[in-house]
Amino acid sequence: EIVLTQSPGTLSLSPGERATLSCRASQSVSSSYLAWYQQKPGQAPRLLIYGASSRATGIPDRFSGSGSGTDFTLTISRLEPEDFAVYYCQQYGTSPWTFGQGTKVEIK
Amino acid sequence: EVQLVQSGAEVKKPGESLRISCKGSGYSFTSYYISWVRQMPGKGLEWMGRIDPSDSYTHYSPSFQGHVTISADKSITTAYLQWSSLKASDTAMYYCARLRGGDAFDIWGQGTMVTVSS
Repeated sequence: EIVLTQSPGTLSLSPGERATLSCRASQSVSSSYLAWYQQKPGQAPRLLIYGASSRATGIPDRFSGSGSGTDFTLTISRLEPEDFAVYYCQQYGTSPWTFGQGTKVEIK
Repeated sequence: EVQLVQSGAEVKKPGESLRISCKGSGYSFTSYYISWVRQMPGKGLEWMGRIDPSDSYTHYSPSFQGHVTISADKSITTAYLQWSSLKASDTAMYYCARLRGGDAFDIWGQGTMVTVSS
């Protein structure tokens, strides 16, 4: 099973700042099948990034994904108030598909 | 509108059986896998397994194999997650989500809260 480790666990930032979230895999992620999701309290997760770097439909361009192999990054260029949430990475290239434990982005 | 609509919250006793549902609409139901994802209270996301509604082929995470059953009825564009004997540790929010190829889980259901308590 591929274990995904996200860091940091919590990121305390102010609106307008840049957020950089990391996701490291225990082995190479097949075909860059790495996704990022945002989850707000009481809501279902929402797909942000798939294929490591492709933005999902309707996702603002302040969200970007990068990386390959075992190291991946989600960057939010300028935090908006609605971006404070929990973010999960997921690999869906090798079964069992797995999620990271999440990074909480909170208001400083 | 493309959507997955899940059945409502359930409160059950240990040992009881349960089936929850996920109805797809607005797209070709048989062109996408449906996966189920568990989220225990205050915890992260766990992938449980998936089904190909076109042929009902299933694949489970080893962590959930034998504990749950995933099925689908393509004639009514609905997928199911069922338990034969619930435990208190099954208390969680359960989400369904669709996936095709490399596109990840692009549409999610609203979630079904399952509470198991004596």
